[in-house]
Amino acid sequence: ELKVEQNPLFLSMQEGKNYTIYCNYSTTSDRLYWYRQDPGKSLESLFVLLSNGAVKQEGRLMASLDTKARLSTLHITAAVHDLSATYFCAVEGGSQGNLIFGKGTKLSVKP
Amino acid sequence: ETGVTQTPRHLVMGMTNKKSLKCEQHLGHNAMYWYKQSAKKPLELMFVYSLEERVENNSVPSRFSPECPNSSHLFLHLHTLQPEDSALYLCASSHGTSGTMASYNEQFFGPGTRLTVL
Repeated sequence: ELKVEQNPLFLSMQEGKNYTIYCNYSTTSDRLYWYRQDPGKSLESLFVLLSNGAVKQEGRLMASLDTKARLSTLHITAAVHDLSATYFCAVEGGSQGNLIFGKGTKLSVKP
Repeated sequence: ETGVTQTPRHLVMGMTNKKSLKCEQHLGHNAMYWYKQSAKKPLELMFVYSLEERVENNSVPSRFSPECPNSSHLFLHLHTLQPEDSALYLCASSHGTSGTMASYNEQFFGPGTRLTVL
């Protein structure tokens, strides 16, 4: 059974600081997704990582994938309040290639 | 309308009521999904439809009944729900489940229906 673990689950950080969210998964997969969810809202796709060594950047967020280590990271550079949200990673797996989601990391960026 | 839409956005129902949630995708996708999101289990996959056929049912109680009349529409029929069924129900769509229409399975989510069962 494919398991996806994120850590930390809660992250409180100050504006201007850097931090990394980790996503580990239990079986071989080379497709990983990051989503953002604002309170009371739906999930917004951030990054699609499709191969080992893939790196994608959008603004202050950068995501990478190491399929050999079964690890993806979401790095936050110089955080701003607008980045406060819950971030989910999801790995493609399951019987139909469905997405298996982590529990999410709730990020709070404070002035 | 663009993307994935869901109606209603909020629903309050008693345990003896029957209601339906509706999802429509305007992306030309072939696969649609129902998820349940609650505080206890952040994202639970409930049902998967690919080309209008149900391909996965994750041990969901029979009080939830999905229907997919075509590739653009997905319904979730609700009856005799329990208070613990209160949650955010999210619909998503993708080009296809793995190995079918697309090389990867990026899913696009609707805004969700906030369900409260009294």
